[in-house]
Amino acid sequence: QQPVQSPQAVILREGEDAVINCSSSKALYSVHWYRQKHGEAPVFLMILLKGGEQKGHDKISASFNEKKQQSSLYLTASQLSYSGTYFCGTDNSGGYQKVTFGTGTKLQVIP
Amino acid sequence: DAGVIQSPRHEVTEMGQEVTLRCKPISGHNSLFWYRQTMMRGLELLIYFNNNVPIDDSGMPEDRFSAKMPNASFSTLKIQPSEPRDSAVYFCASSPAGSGGANEQFFGPGTRLTVL
Repeated sequence: QQPVQSPQAVILREGEDAVINCSSSKALYSVHWYRQKHGEAPVFLMILLKGGEQKGHDKISASFNEKKQQSSLYLTASQLSYSGTYFCGTDNSGGYQKVTFGTGTKLQVIP
Repeated sequence: DAGVIQSPRHEVTEMGQEVTLRCKPISGHNSLFWYRQTMMRGLELLIYFNNNVPIDDSGMPEDRFSAKMPNASFSTLKIQPSEPRDSAVYFCASSPAGSGGANEQFFGPGTRLTVL
C-alpha cells in the first residue's frame, strides 16, 4: 500500500527550512528517501533502517519513528539546488527490497 | 561505472504494436527493478528480480506486460499489444547486495513511451 506524503507541494525562499512527512498503514522495515528533478531519474538520498534512527546528508536529514510508522525529511537552510520532487519509499517486505513509493512532495526553492 | 543503461530513451508507437524496453544494470548488482511513472499514479514498482529470478511481479498491470532477465547484465520489459494508457516513463533500477536487504537503488535515465 502506498505511503502518504505531506505536504503535496511547498514553496520556500532560499535559506528557509522545510519538513516532509511520510506515513504508512503497515509496519515498516525501512524507509528510503529519493529526490527527482524534472525530466531526470530519482536519486538516492538516504535509507533509515531502525526505529529512532536519524541520518543526515549535507543539510538534509531524516528520522524514522518505527512505532508510528512514520518518517520525516528535514531540509535546513534550503538552497536552490534542493528544488525537485521528494519521494519516500517504504519497505514492508521484511527486507526483500520491495519498495513502495509515495506520490511525492514537490519542493520549489526561490531566490 | 556507466550507471544503469536503458534503451531506447524515447519510444513512440501506435496502439497494438509490441514494445520492448531494455536495461543493463550496474555490474555486480544482483537486484533489478522495473518502475513505471505517470502523473496520476506516481512511481509504481512493476516487477523486481534477484539474481536473475523474478521475485515479485504483483505490480505488473496485466498479461500484456512481461519481463525477463536472461542474465545478470540484461533485462527486458515487453508490452504486447500496447495501449495509449501505457504511455509513461519506465525506469529500470539496480541495487547491490548488502546487509538486511535494504540498499540504495540506482535508477537509469528512463524510457519515455508514448502510445498513440
